[in-house]
Amino acid sequence: EPEVTQTPSHQVTQMGQEVILRCVPISNHLYFYWYRQILGQKVEFLVSFYNNEISEKSEIFDDQFSVERPDGSNFTLKIRSTKLEDSAMYFCASRRQEETQYFGPGTRLLVL
Amino acid sequence: RKEVEQDPGPFNVPEGATVAFNCTYSNSASQSFFWYRQDCRKEPKLLMSVYSSGNEDGRFTAQLNRASQYISLLIRDSKLSDSATYLCVVDTGGFKTIFGAGTRLFVKA
Repeated sequence: EPEVTQTPSHQVTQMGQEVILRCVPISNHLYFYWYRQILGQKVEFLVSFYNNEISEKSEIFDDQFSVERPDGSNFTLKIRSTKLEDSAMYFCASRRQEETQYFGPGTRLLVL
Repeated sequence: RKEVEQDPGPFNVPEGATVAFNCTYSNSASQSFFWYRQDCRKEPKLLMSVYSSGNEDGRFTAQLNRASQYISLLIRDSKLSDSATYLCVVDTGGFKTIFGAGTRLFVKA
């Protein structure tokens, strides 16, 4: 069964450093999403991406964040200058025209 | 008012019990509705989509009331493996998805 994959599974970084989180969506999916979940809190929408551009973004997704689909298979989330409060689990999701989103296993980011 | 609001929980029930979760949403233009489950430190996994006509999948029944902006999930004959956090999820039109805070369920032997 096809699945969304994410790398790395865990990342530790120093405050102020740039991180890139990678996702490989399911191959025939057209819509891509990033979410974050701070430990003990709810899943929060960050951004959606369709047709090679951002469709919608939340207030969390400020200038420090960017997304890219560089090669038709990977979908990346970049955080330019990490803050302590960026520590969270980051989930990628994808879907086809139908409504159901499939989530990757997540990347746990720890900013020290 | 929160965009998606769920029962705070946790719910502690014995095996075999019936348990109901409730959810309300604030955006009347919301188009699609789902229940996901999330196990500790894992990704959300789709449990079922929710339709106005109601839908059932084995022991699970979901209902949507658009007029009241209310979604429910009923689990019958609870199993130990049902222990998880249940997430009410609302899609506002295809590009933005809002999660409720989740309701934790503990099923005990």
